[in-house]
Amino acid sequence: DIQMTQSPSTLSASVGDRVTITCRASQSISSWLAWYQQKPGKAPKLLIYKASSLESGVPSRFSGSGSGTEFTLTISSLQPDDFATYYCQQYNSYSTFGPGTKVDIK
Amino acid sequence: EVQLVQSGAEVKKPGESLKISCKGSGYSFTTYWIGWVRQVPGKGLEWMGIIYPGDSDTRFSPSFQGQVTISADKSISTAYLQWNSLKASDTAMYYCARLRRAYSGYDDAFDIWGQGTVVTVSS
Repeated sequence: DIQMTQSPSTLSASVGDRVTITCRASQSISSWLAWYQQKPGKAPKLLIYKASSLESGVPSRFSGSGSGTEFTLTISSLQPDDFATYYCQQYNSYSTFGPGTKVDIK
Repeated sequence: EVQLVQSGAEVKKPGESLKISCKGSGYSFTTYWIGWVRQVPGKGLEWMGIIYPGDSDTRFSPSFQGQVTISADKSISTAYLQWNSLKASDTAMYYCARLRRAYSGYDDAFDIWGQGTVVTVSS
C-alpha cells in the first residue's frame, strides 16, 4: 500500500495569509494526486487533481504543485471560507488519502 | 444537475446486515466509476472500493476486501454498499463519490460526492 502523510496536522492562520500544506507519498505516484477541502458535516470538495490542475469553479487562490513523492497545496491569500480540513489523495495505485490538515483561525 | 443522493441514516445492532444506496442523476451513470469512502467520527477519509456500473467491475482496498460488498443496478442508476454482519467498528459516515472522467480507469479523483450516510452500530 502507498502511505500518505501530511504536514502540518494543524495550521493556525489569519485571513490574507499565504498557506502551504505538504503531502508526501511513501513511493513515487508521478502526478496522480488530488486535494480536497472538507468542512464539518459536509462531503469533501475536489480542489486540485493531477497534482496541479484546478477543478472547475475552484478559486484561483488555490494551487497545487509537485510530483513523485512530495506535493504542496498553496492558498495564496486565505479567505474566511477557507477555514476547513484539507486532504490529499493518491490515485497511482488504488487510492489512499492523507490524514488531513486542519486550517483554523489564529 | 449532476448529483449523487444517498439513503438515510441507519442504526443497527452488531451482527445485523445492511445495504445502503447511492443514486446518480444528471449524467450517464454507466460510464463513470462510483467509489465508497469511509469516515469514522473525528477521523480522516478511507478509500474502500469502487465499481464501474457499466459492467460491475469492482476493485477493493486491501483493508476492506472481504469486509463489504459493492454492487450496482444500472437500470435504476444506483450503487450499493453492503455488510453481511456489522461490527461496532463499522460505525462511520459513508460517502459515495463519482470519478472525474467517463470511460476511465479506476484511478482518478472524485469530483461529485453524495451527502453521506451515517451508520451507527450499537448494541
